Amino acid sequence: GAVVSQHPSRVICKSGTSVKIECRSLDFQATTMFWYRQFPKQSLMLMATSNEGSKATYEQGVEKDKFLINHASLTLSTLTVTSAHPEDSSFYICSARPGGGKETQYFGPGTRLLVL
Amino acid sequence: QKEVEQNSGPLSVPEGAIASLNCTYSDRGSQSFFWYRQYSGKSPELIMFIYSNGDKEDGRFTAQLNKASQYVSLLIRDSQPSDSATYLCAVNGGGGADGLTFGKGTHLIIQP
Repeated sequence: GAVVSQHPSRVICKSGTSVKIECRSLDFQATTMFWYRQFPKQSLMLMATSNEGSKATYEQGVEKDKFLINHASLTLSTLTVTSAHPEDSSFYICSARPGGGKETQYFGPGTRLLVL
Repeated sequence: QKEVEQNSGPLSVPEGAIASLNCTYSDRGSQSFFWYRQYSGKSPELIMFIYSNGDKEDGRFTAQLNKASQYVSLLIRDSQPSDSATYLCAVNGGGGADGLTFGKGTHLIIQP
């Protein structure tokens, strides 16, 4: 149980284009999903908290107009990197929390983004 | 600002020995503590979580929490080469609504 998927697993795009990443909880409902970013040799950094049916909460320093988050249902959250630039190249990982008082987060397999 | 500190390593342990991984955190209000394992190029996978002071055992793994010292540790008994990975300590402020604050991880190498 507690499986989280991400799509795509890898994407290469040109500078200036937008990229959408999907995060799905496959066998549970997640009222809260989280988006993290990991640069090489660094740890995961929380970007934003995505709540179903409401606006996402962004961490300090993360541009909400650049990283658009939509949590349209209890099993799906999307992250759109708008007007991507090479410095946005990173490993983007989502996680989902089953809720019901449990705080454990389960991570998706990640999406590796390369912006040329 | 919440901080989680870990020794980056690498920590080299002979196969079959006990590996001891340590973590300290700055936010005294933290309530939930997690250990994740991350293989190169992969996303983290949950090993254990601990909420209360003391020890918590799960198979070959034991998590230890000391809130007074703001210290969390992970012991791996009978270490196997497949345990070689980066181990991430993560802390949650409580309430479940917060994302996790991660340490930079300790690179563990189990020598056959």
